[in-house]
Amino acid sequence: GAGVSQSPSNKVTEKGKDVELRCDPISGHTALYWYRQSLGQGLEFLIYFQGNSAPDKSGLPSDRFSAERTGGSVSTLTIQRTQQEDSAVYLCASSLDRFRLQETQYFGPGTRLLVL
Amino acid sequence: GQQLNQSPQSMFIQEGEDVSMNCTSSSIFNTWLWYKQDPGEGPVLLIALYKAGELTSNGRLTAQFGITRKDSFLNISASIPSDVGIYFCAGRSGSARQLTFGSGTQLTVLP
Repeated sequence: GAGVSQSPSNKVTEKGKDVELRCDPISGHTALYWYRQSLGQGLEFLIYFQGNSAPDKSGLPSDRFSAERTGGSVSTLTIQRTQQEDSAVYLCASSLDRFRLQETQYFGPGTRLLVL
Repeated sequence: GQQLNQSPQSMFIQEGEDVSMNCTSSSIFNTWLWYKQDPGEGPVLLIALYKAGELTSNGRLTAQFGITRKDSFLNISASIPSDVGIYFCAGRSGSARQLTFGSGTQLTVLP
C-alpha cells in the first residue's frame, strides 16, 4: 500500500511569507508526527496528533508554527512570517496505534524548505 | 531536554569491512531504534530494541540495547556499497510518543 506522502517536495519562499506543508499519512494510522531536520542534524520533534485527542505541541519552536489535522487523516503544518532559520527538511511520520509501546513510525520523504 | 550523542559523525570504510557506531543518552530510554536515511528520503527503520541488554540482528546489521538503558550500538558486517547513507539512533523515554534523534553518522563505503 501507499506510504506517507508529503507535498510539496521542495518549497522556496521569501522571508516573511507564510508557507503550508501537507502530510498524507498511511491509511488507518491514527498517530501523526511532524519533525524538522536541519542540515547535517538529526530530527527534531515538533508536534504530534493522536486520533481526536488534543495534539502535543511541546516541540513547536515558536508561535509562528502551527499544525492541523482534519478528519483524523491529512495534516497541514503552517509556518507564518518565515525566517531564514526555518530553512530545513520537514518530515512527517505516522504510526498505527499510539498506545502500543512497539509502534513503528513510518516517515514520508519530507519537504525541503528554503527561506531566502 | 534529552540529548543523544551519536558517534562517529562520519566514517569512510572499504567495501567488505565491518563498521560500528554508537549512541549515548543523558537519560534512560525504554526504546532504542536505528534508522537509515538515503538522500532525498525519509528515515527507514532498521532495528528496534525494547529491553535492556537486548541484542537483535537484521541480516548484516546487529544492534544492542545497553544494560544501563543509556546507550546503544549498531554494527554492520561486511559492508557493501548500498550501505552508504546516514544512520540515526533514536530513543523514546517514559510515556513519550515522540522520538529523540541523534545527529547521525554519515557512512561512505569505498570500492
